[in-house]
Amino acid sequence: SQELEQSPQSLIVQEGKNLTINCTSSKTLYGLYWYKQKYGEGLIFLMMLQKGGEEKSHEKITAKLDEKKQQSSLHITASQPSHAGIYLCGADFPRGDSWGKLQFGAGTQVVVTP
Amino acid sequence: ETGVTQTPRHLVMGMTNKKSLKCEQHLGHNAMYWYKQSAKKPLELMFVYNFKEQTENNSVPSRFSPECPNSSHLFLHLHTLQPEDSALYLCASSQVRASSYNEQFFGPGTRLTVL
Repeated sequence: SQELEQSPQSLIVQEGKNLTINCTSSKTLYGLYWYKQKYGEGLIFLMMLQKGGEEKSHEKITAKLDEKKQQSSLHITASQPSHAGIYLCGADFPRGDSWGKLQFGAGTQVVVTP
Repeated sequence: ETGVTQTPRHLVMGMTNKKSLKCEQHLGHNAMYWYKQSAKKPLELMFVYNFKEQTENNSVPSRFSPECPNSSHLFLHLHTLQPEDSALYLCASSQVRASSYNEQFFGPGTRLTVL
């Protein structure tokens, strides 16, 4: 069963506009990881969120984790062509000796138009 | 990005061929992973090696055979594959510690096409 749901599946945004991607878990997670992938390539690690209510920013990308640690959002301000790609959230869950194993959402494809 | 390398980057093989994918990590990590990424499907974890020992085999068909000779190298041996096995195969590594967080670092992937 899919434990991480991402929305939207895809979005098209005009250059300079903001966008938000959501990642929702069916249960409390341990850590939440955001990755970016260009088509046909590997995943690039963006940031990790650990604590309920945590917020991190890097350049124009901000990620938040809710207090219950079941939902995260990724917000891009003033999007640029370099922001185009597939954004994936990954999570690990507190379940005994399963450390080191991430589950991933299906990804959100972002297209930035001129 | 040279932390995790994968070869080859592209592979086309027939259903009767035998081939191997190679992954090498230069990050000093103790765990390595194989994932399969098919179109419009979430990343599927195939195998996990922690300290060179296989700790996960996610119901992967036996036509996929992993090998981890040391903590820096990981192979995926392929034989008698099916066309539905065509996908992007990604390798990742991480430093796993109990009760700690686990950011994984990925290689560029091998695009596999089975004819």
